[in-house]
Amino acid sequence: GQQLNQSPQSMFIQEGEDVSMNCTSSSIFNTWLWYKQDPGEGPVLLIALYKAGELTSNGRLTAQFGITRKDSFLNISASIPSDVGIYFCAGRRPSTSGTYKYIFGTGTRLKVLA
Amino acid sequence: DGGITQSPKYLFRKEGQNVTLSCEQNLNHDAMYWYRQDPGQGLRLIYYSQIVNDFQKGDIAEGYSVSREKKESFPLTVTSAQKNPTAFYLCASSTVEQTEAFFGQGTRLTVV
Repeated sequence: GQQLNQSPQSMFIQEGEDVSMNCTSSSIFNTWLWYKQDPGEGPVLLIALYKAGELTSNGRLTAQFGITRKDSFLNISASIPSDVGIYFCAGRRPSTSGTYKYIFGTGTRLKVLA
Repeated sequence: DGGITQSPKYLFRKEGQNVTLSCEQNLNHDAMYWYRQDPGQGLRLIYYSQIVNDFQKGDIAEGYSVSREKKESFPLTVTSAQKNPTAFYLCASSTVEQTEAFFGQGTRLTVV
């Protein structure tokens, strides 16, 4: 099954630094979602994007729906220790049966050094 | 509180046994999904259901079965035919517009 390409795979940053990660695909999506997953827990939705070019913020998080509809970006400003976790992107598009499916990225593992 | 509840949190199974993972939601969502997550990996779709009494195979359905007899419930059975069942299993649901999917807390299945 398809998975989206997400980069970087992992990153170590100092507290207070800004973080950028992205997700790319060879296919077009009509919705992009960004999730954060803590160890042993389910992913929690951070931001949802619905239109190409859309830029949406949620506190220190900002995400953008790429203009080609094949990519999305997530930025975290002024990182803090509780930002540690795995960040997943997900794209939504119609399946062959006419329903919708979510395709997930491979994840970016973020570690913040105090 | 509205949400998605998966149970149990941890599950141990002997080889050759079937086991059923529970997923219940009170969000009035039409669509429900099961994903498998292996260590250091992303999420892979096992099965999904858009409406009651209907479901479709995802990318890795072999060795799994589901039912959707009620809107609120979408149990997943891991059968003995699944060759490598040890993994973290996540259930999700979304509205009929299916713009945003919300996840349960997950069930960690270990075959012993």
